[in-house]
Amino acid sequence: QQPVQSPQAVILREGEDAVINCSSSKALYSVHWYRQKHGEAPVFLMILLKGGEQKGHEKISASFNEKKQQSSLYLTASQLSYSGTYFCGTAGGTSYGKLTFGQGTILTVHP
Amino acid sequence: DTAVSQTPKYLVTQMGNDKSIKCEQNLGHDTMYWYKQDSKKFLKIMFSYNNKELIINETVPNRFSPKSPDKAHLNLHINSLELGDSAVYFCASSLGTGVTGELFFGEGSRLTVL
Repeated sequence: QQPVQSPQAVILREGEDAVINCSSSKALYSVHWYRQKHGEAPVFLMILLKGGEQKGHEKISASFNEKKQQSSLYLTASQLSYSGTYFCGTAGGTSYGKLTFGQGTILTVHP
Repeated sequence: DTAVSQTPKYLVTQMGNDKSIKCEQNLGHDTMYWYKQDSKKFLKIMFSYNNKELIINETVPNRFSPKSPDKAHLNLHINSLELGDSAVYFCASSLGTGVTGELFFGEGSRLTVL
């Protein structure tokens, strides 16, 4: 089942912060975050494994609440280059579990 | 050197025709995937192969037939194309099952069925 992302779209000015949420109705083993710019392929940002750990990548970090089956992506001091569509992908715990993507959140950063 | 390469990048064809998309990865990964991204940007897995063996086969019409001649290649053949097949098809690869590792996506093949 597809995870649900919120909000569907975010508009920011450079330097502002944003949070994108990802929620699943199924028990999760891992949560992935990808960013896709218009006309390009999705690009990996980070992966979180069950255990509630938080990961960081420059000014982008994420958390994973295994009990709530939720993950959040935090973008701080946004830059123009952050614009794009953000997808969370979730996977269950089976050996060959498939990665199922959310519907995407469109992030637009203005100067 | 492109890590995951797909050909062709664009296909425009008539309903009822048959078409193929090829994918190659030079990352040494053992798992490859086909994803379909529709006009609403929904990214949906279609197939996954691990070391040439089919491991994920989503509810996809049997007009779609994947083939993996070796672990570095995964092709997609589509018979009797329909208007609803118009989409961007992404090939991806990963080390292991992709549940715990990064997916590397190709640039996509945009299929337009007229």
